[in-house]
Amino acid sequence: TQLLEQSPQFLSIQEGENLTVYCNSSSVFSSLQWYRQEPGEGPVLLVTVVTGGEVKKLKRLTFQFGDARKDSSLHITAAQPGDTGLYLCAGPFMDSWGKFQFGAGTQVVVTP
Amino acid sequence: GAGVSQSPRYKVAKRGQDVALRCDPISGHVSLFWYQQALGQGPEFLTYFQNEAQLDKSGLPSDRFFAERPEGSVSTLKIQRTQQEDSAVYLCASSPSFVSSYNEQFFGPGTRLTVL
Repeated sequence: TQLLEQSPQFLSIQEGENLTVYCNSSSVFSSLQWYRQEPGEGPVLLVTVVTGGEVKKLKRLTFQFGDARKDSSLHITAAQPGDTGLYLCAGPFMDSWGKFQFGAGTQVVVTP
Repeated sequence: GAGVSQSPRYKVAKRGQDVALRCDPISGHVSLFWYQQALGQGPEFLTYFQNEAQLDKSGLPSDRFFAERPEGSVSTLKIQRTQQEDSAVYLCASSPSFVSSYNEQFFGPGTRLTVL
């Protein structure tokens, strides 16, 4: 079973602070995706990482895929209230690419 | 509309009733996915389609759950004889490409199903 574990489950910070959330697995993934979900809405894709060791930046968000492709992290610099949301990582099962496994998510709250 | 739409947005059913949840994907999108999301959890895979073909339904919890996409566009998720444990948000997503290991999925807002 390919499980994705996310930590922490909940993170509350002040505006301007930095934060990092983690996504870990004991299994290798061909790619990992990060989504952000707001209440009452579906998840929105932020990034897809494909190569081990890959680092991608999206404005104040930095995503890293572990060398062994078993883990990933999301770092937010100078968080803003608009960054509040549920951050989810997801990856495809090796035996069925259309079947995606999601982590339980990290709820991030950024207060002004 | 430009995005994925789902209807109804909210559904309350009495235990034992049948329900049908509709998903209108982005026009031209080849792949369509259904997920179940319990409160405080990430989405759980149910099934996916490539055009009208249902390629994986291994996530459907029981034979009470049935999904179809007869013309390769609109999809319906049907739940027969609903149970309280079926209460969740049901998310639909579509993707413009054939299934790959890095499909970009565009999600709808979900249908919140409450079974009393």
